[in-house]
Formats: sequence, C-alpha cells, structure tokens
Amino acid sequence: DSGVTQTPKHLITATGQRVTLRCSPRSGDLSVYWYQQSLDQGLQFLIQYYNGEERAKGNILERFSAQQFPDLHSELNLSSLELGDSALYFCASSGTTGQGAVGANVLTFGAGSRLTVL
Amino acid sequence: EDQVTQSPEALRLQEGESSSLNCSYTVSGLRGLFWYRQDPGKGPEFLFTLYSAGEEKEKERLKATLTKKESFLHITAPKPEDSATYLCAFPENQAGTALIFGKGTTLSVSS
Repeated sequence: DSGVTQTPKHLITATGQRVTLRCSPRSGDLSVYWYQQSLDQGLQFLIQYYNGEERAKGNILERFSAQQFPDLHSELNLSSLELGDSALYFCASSGTTGQGAVGANVLTFGAGSRLTVL
Repeated sequence: EDQVTQSPEALRLQEGESSSLNCSYTVSGLRGLFWYRQDPGKGPEFLFTLYSAGEEKEKERLKATLTKKESFLHITAPKPEDSATYLCAFPENQAGTALIFGKGTTLSVSS
C-alpha cells in the first residue's frame, strides 16, 4: 500500500458521459499529480496541484478538469467521454514544494482507476 | 523538445542472465534522471534518482548509471520477480515537480 488512495478502481461507462475520479494523497503530501496511461501513449502527465492551486499542466484535454480541495484530496473530472479516453488513470503525490527541493520529483503513485468507455 | 527514449521495448531473459536497459535523453538542464518499476495493473514504484554524470546507485540486483547522454539500468543475475516494466523519467520544466516518462522497457525473466 503506497498510501495514495484512488477510487473507483474500475469504471465502465458510455461515450458522451461524465465521470469523476478521486484521489487521496499520502498523509502530509501537498502535491497531487494526475497521469493517464494507455497502451499506445504510455504514461502521460496531465496536471499537478500544490496545496489547492494548479502548479503545472501537461497534455490535459479541455474536456478534462481537476481540482484539489482544502483537505488535499483531488478529483479528476472527465466529460464528453470518447472511446479513446479508455485508460488507466493514476494519481501520485509528493511532499516537496518546488524544483530543486530535496527529494523533489519523487512521486508516490496510487494503484490507479481503470476507465472503460463503451 | 525534451524527451527520453527507452530501448529495447521488450526484453526476455533467462534467470541469471544479466543485461542492461537503456534510457537515452535529450533534456536541456537535466535536473535528475529517475527510474521507476511498474508491475502489471499497478502504479509505478520509485527506484532511483541520478543527478550527475558518473553517478551510480544500486538496489539488490539493480544498478543505475548516468552519462551525459544516457542512463543504464543494469540487472545482474535477474530472477522471475524482476519481471516488470521499467520506466525512466525526467522533471518537467514548468514551475511544478511532475515527471515526464519514457514508454518503458518490459522485462520478462523466465526460470
């Protein structure tokens, strides 16, 4: 158990629908990251939040959005789902403040949420 | 564009047959080269961080090395439990601390 909790573990839905994935970071970690992993694209960085604020953005589609709440848990919202959105979605957390900090970039990943869009 | 390229994509070894995985990088101002292990259906697990050319780190049968252009993950006398996908990554260049991952090398070790 990495300490990063993701729910749900599995989710099956239809095209055009909207889903929400939830992540609770390790105790004490202020940063949350979202990644998408598909067979052809590998592990793609979507977005990072630090202590409630967006810190960095990767290849996140406009149909996707995320937020981090005051209790530091995060949610990734996926809307107008397409077949190609089927993937494993990972959340990771870290306790560092920024670039150059000791231990920076050592991310701890959760077990993932597997999304299937039919 | 900053990127890492991993090779081979897949590697099959017999138990005890040592080999190396490669991660070549073109990253300006590299702030660390990271290695992660990922088992099927699970999240990646941190292995090593290397910061400067010539640096080496070891953990059990794994040793990671770094040059100015590439990193190697050497696996000595592998066991079936070493079977996994090994990912290398580098820090993104925005204000955050996210990692950008390569596509990985899938290692299969048979007994």
